[in-house]
Amino acid sequence: EDKVVQSPLSLVVHEGDTVTLNCSYEVTNFRSLLWYKQEKKAPTFLFMLTSSGIEKKSGRLSSILDKKELFSILNITATQTGDSAIYLCARGPNAGGTSYGKLTFGQGTILTVHP
Amino acid sequence: KAGVTQTPRYLIKTRGQQVTLSCSPISGHRSVSWYQQTPGQGLQFLFEYFSETQRNKGNFPGRFSGRQFSNSRSEMNVSTLELGDSALYLCASSSYTGELFFGEGSRLTVL
Repeated sequence: EDKVVQSPLSLVVHEGDTVTLNCSYEVTNFRSLLWYKQEKKAPTFLFMLTSSGIEKKSGRLSSILDKKELFSILNITATQTGDSAIYLCARGPNAGGTSYGKLTFGQGTILTVHP
Repeated sequence: KAGVTQTPRYLIKTRGQQVTLSCSPISGHRSVSWYQQTPGQGLQFLFEYFSETQRNKGNFPGRFSGRQFSNSRSEMNVSTLELGDSALYLCASSSYTGELFFGEGSRLTVL
């Protein structure tokens, strides 16, 4: 079955904490794994991961993909109140196909950062 | 560089009516995808268009349709609206790299 499962579903932390968000999936033959941040509006692109074991970083955020164990993690260090949002993980299209736009999303992790 | 633009941002319709939503992708992006987001089902793929051709379709009834124009702008249409169609409809554009960028969405309320 083509499921993407995120955990935890919600998380409450205090400013300065480090958080790790998890994303597991079942289909193996895909092109990419993407992470998005959604506040009150549209999902904002964070990372696209295509290779296993290679970490991507952007400021306090980092992410890595493990294609053998079928999961990805998103780390946020020194959290700030502005990090409060829903974090979405999505499996990209199947490898070898022509589609770029069909993503399968997880249910999201709601992160709340208190001052 | 302008992002993905969706119009209208908010709209209210009644059951049985139809609605058309518009999306202008990022300049140079030829792939446009549509998603429905609801609290219960999350983000679900509706369809994808590339060079005016539907390349992929999600598991939605035939009341949901779309098209893409030669300038890559896309529209989606929902006919015979039902209460359950109330949702945030998101459009995303992508280039050959596979990164998808979303618009602000069109929030549809069906009364």
